[in-house]
Amino acid sequence: GDSVTQMEGPVTLSEEAFLTINCTYTATGYPSLFWYVQYPGEGLQLLLKATKADDKGSNKGFEATYRKETTSFHLEKGSVQVSDSAVYFCALWASYDKVIFGPGTSLSVIP
Amino acid sequence: DSGVTQTPKHLITATGQRVTLRCSPRSGDLSVYWYQQSLDQGLQFLIHYYNGEERAKGNILERFSAQQFPDLHSELNLSSLELGDSALYFCASSVFGRGTGELFFGEGSRLTVL
Repeated sequence: GDSVTQMEGPVTLSEEAFLTINCTYTATGYPSLFWYVQYPGEGLQLLLKATKADDKGSNKGFEATYRKETTSFHLEKGSVQVSDSAVYFCALWASYDKVIFGPGTSLSVIP
Repeated sequence: DSGVTQTPKHLITATGQRVTLRCSPRSGDLSVYWYQQSLDQGLQFLIHYYNGEERAKGNILERFSAQQFPDLHSELNLSSLELGDSALYFCASSVFGRGTGELFFGEGSRLTVL
């Protein structure tokens, strides 16, 4: 079945450091891919998305490129801030019936 | 504010009891999804309703049931509660059949079973 794997956390970075969170997926067909973010005490919210191969999603300085050949959708940010501390979930939508989430990666950014 | 409303925000109950969690989707969204988030299981898909009909089932226990009403709000019923049912339960809504597949999440209902 469809599944999402992402790097284990927690990840701790200093402010202004470069961030990469790896995500790979298994799916039949051509899924849409997402990154969601969950700030402490809140629900998940969409960070960025890509709907077809080679698409790049971007938002708030975060980027991810849909790589069909490597079935990956890695999240990157050039310079993280303390306010980026949150849990990040990679997800896929292979049908209209459900969105499958990865286990989440906790990020802590220290000043 | 996502526009999705969940009640109650917190609930403490005892083993063997039954609770009902309620979700009001964003205006215009026909789909409602329920997810369970726990420390050891991550975010698990439970069930999806579209315009009152069940569309997909995930890892939902037989002790759990859900429904979506004509006004599109949804309820998740959890019965014969066990300690392991303690978790954060999220509802999410989306536009179904068109749009981008983006889910809009509520703030969750935190269930503690003692």
